[in-house]
Amino acid sequence: NAGVTQTPKFRVLKTGQSMTLLCAQDMNHEYMYWYRQDPGMGLRLIHYSVGEGTTAKGEVPDGYNVSRLKKQNFLLGLESAAPSQTSVYFCASSFGPGLTFGSGTRLTVV
Amino acid sequence: AQTVTQSQPEMSVQEAETVTLSCTYDTSESDYYLFWYKQPPSRQMILVIRQEAYKQQNATENRFSVNFQKAAKSFSLKISDSQLGDAAMYFCACVSNSGYALNFGKGTSLLVTP
Repeated sequence: NAGVTQTPKFRVLKTGQSMTLLCAQDMNHEYMYWYRQDPGMGLRLIHYSVGEGTTAKGEVPDGYNVSRLKKQNFLLGLESAAPSQTSVYFCASSFGPGLTFGSGTRLTVV
Repeated sequence: AQTVTQSQPEMSVQEAETVTLSCTYDTSESDYYLFWYKQPPSRQMILVIRQEAYKQQNATENRFSVNFQKAAKSFSLKISDSQLGDAAMYFCACVSNSGYALNFGKGTSLLVTP
């Protein structure tokens, strides 16, 4: 089992560019999440999904969009990247309490 | 919603010694779960231990144990016989039984010295 797989692992963007982060899980989990991690801030929830075709906003959703067209995939989009979006992004999934995390994506916006 | 506070940004412990990381939380829910996650330099988030709020008995996993004080809303992590591989960021988290996403504290960086 691969668990939760995130691609890419690293990316550098220029301000204003767009990109999509892909998260895939093979555990048949209903719930999926996108968090961002910044120094001294812990992990903050961006968006989450409680099932295929559903999405909801988390604590810091501005500047991001998500889609869950298939149960196993959860995509995070940045339409116009800003330096404030420089961060490490984690995808996670769950069936009950407790999360299984991907290995993260380090995104730098210059 | 829950809030989680980790008041120690950094801690240090000598190899083979015991260290306790503090965590307090605030929730209006009566049924919830508490977690400690470890993040080593590899960046991977690893579940260390989980506690169900309805259980009075403190959870243990080998050298890791918690002191769960429900009335005080405190959930500290004790690491016994510390090893160099325990050096990492440690995050405390909480989720209600009716919720989905975990709410995380800001983390405690643990340094283990030989």
